This record gives sequence, C-alpha cells and structure tokens, in this order.
Amino acid sequence: NAGVTQTPKFHILKTGQSMTLQCAQDMNHGYLSWYRQDPGMGLRRIHYSVAAGITDKGEVPDGYNVSRSNTEDFPLRLESAAPSQTSVYFCASSYWSRGGENEQYFGPGTRLTVT
Amino acid sequence: KQEVTQIPAALSVPEGENLVLNCSFTDSAIYNLQWFRQDPGKGLTSLLLIQSSQREQTSGRLNASLDKSSGRSTLYIAASQPGDSATYLCAVPEGGTGTASKLTFGTGTRLQVTL
Repeated sequence: NAGVTQTPKFHILKTGQSMTLQCAQDMNHGYLSWYRQDPGMGLRRIHYSVAAGITDKGEVPDGYNVSRSNTEDFPLRLESAAPSQTSVYFCASSYWSRGGENEQYFGPGTRLTVT
Repeated sequence: KQEVTQIPAALSVPEGENLVLNCSFTDSAIYNLQWFRQDPGKGLTSLLLIQSSQREQTSGRLNASLDKSSGRSTLYIAASQPGDSATYLCAVPEGGTGTASKLTFGTGTRLQVTL
C-alpha cells in the first residue's frame, strides 16, 4: 500500500490564481481530512469527509473548497489564492465509525507559497 | 476547549540514553491519544495510538502510557539513537465519538540525539 499520497510536494502560486492540491489513499479509509500547519499555530483542520459525497467544514475553511466523489480521493481547491494561504498542507485518513476514529495516517504534505 | 501541552519543548541527549517526553491535556474525556514524529520538512508518522481503555502501548523501543484522570501521557524512548532525532507530537481527538473529531495537537518536543 502507498498509504496517503499528496501532490504536488511544492508549489508557488501568485495571488489570485487557483490550484488543486491532490490527496489519495489506498487503505479504503472512510475519513479524510485536510490540515494546514503554520509556525506558532500548529495544525488546524480545514475540511473533512466521512464518506464519498459527504464533506464538512473544519476550523479554517474560508478560501478552500473540497469534494469527495469516491473513497480514494479528496482534492482541496484554492479558488483565488491569498498570501495568508502560504502554508504546509497535510491530508490525513483513518477508518471511521460511530464508535470513534482510529489511528490517523498523514500524507507527506504539500508546501505552498503564495506570492 | 481542549489544550494540549508538551514538555520539554526541546531536548538534546547523547546516544544511548533513555528519555521521556511528556504530554498534558486539559479535558480528560478523550477516547484515544496518538503520538507522531515529524522529521524536518516531512509529514507526520504515526508512532502509537492508545485507546482510552488502555494504559500502555509498546512498539519496539517506544512505550507510551496514558493516565486520563491526571490528563497526562508519556512517551518513553529506550536506548536513543541519532535516527530518533525529530519533533514528537501528541494529539487527541476533540469531540465525542462518531463526530469525525479534529485532532488537537500538542506544541511538540524537538529531540536531538547526538553521537
């Protein structure tokens, strides 16, 4: 298993441009989420999904959109990038049931700079 | 609101020493706690997950304990090696079971193991 994969690893974007960060998992996990990591702020959840067709907002959803058309993929879209979105983005996945989440697995991250 | 603190913030030890990393959380109503390591510029690697019903989990040279009543977890690393150098993070889910809770991360301990 590849686990959780993310592309690209690095990207530089200009203010106002759009892009999609890709996340894929091959562990048949139901729960997928996006976090951003910033110095002094730790990791904060952006959006999450518990199954295909179901998404919800996390702590810091403004400026980001997600979709979940299948179990494997959970892309994060920035419609009009701003310098405040310069960050390292991580995708995380786990099995999910109403009994609670299990061990979460993180991808290698995407380092995004918005100029 | 759950707050997670890790002490010390940084630690430097010579190779071969046994060491303890501490994690404290303010809300004891957690149903698991997860330890991660993060290498510079890399993603988070899951080390151990302790369910609320457990008191300890072991993986190789790592042993994690959980005391919910006192709001504490410790990560014990035996016979430290230079390859253990990384930032160690503890994390707890915030919210009840079945709520697809976000992870609240600790502040991290940066470990350096010297030759």
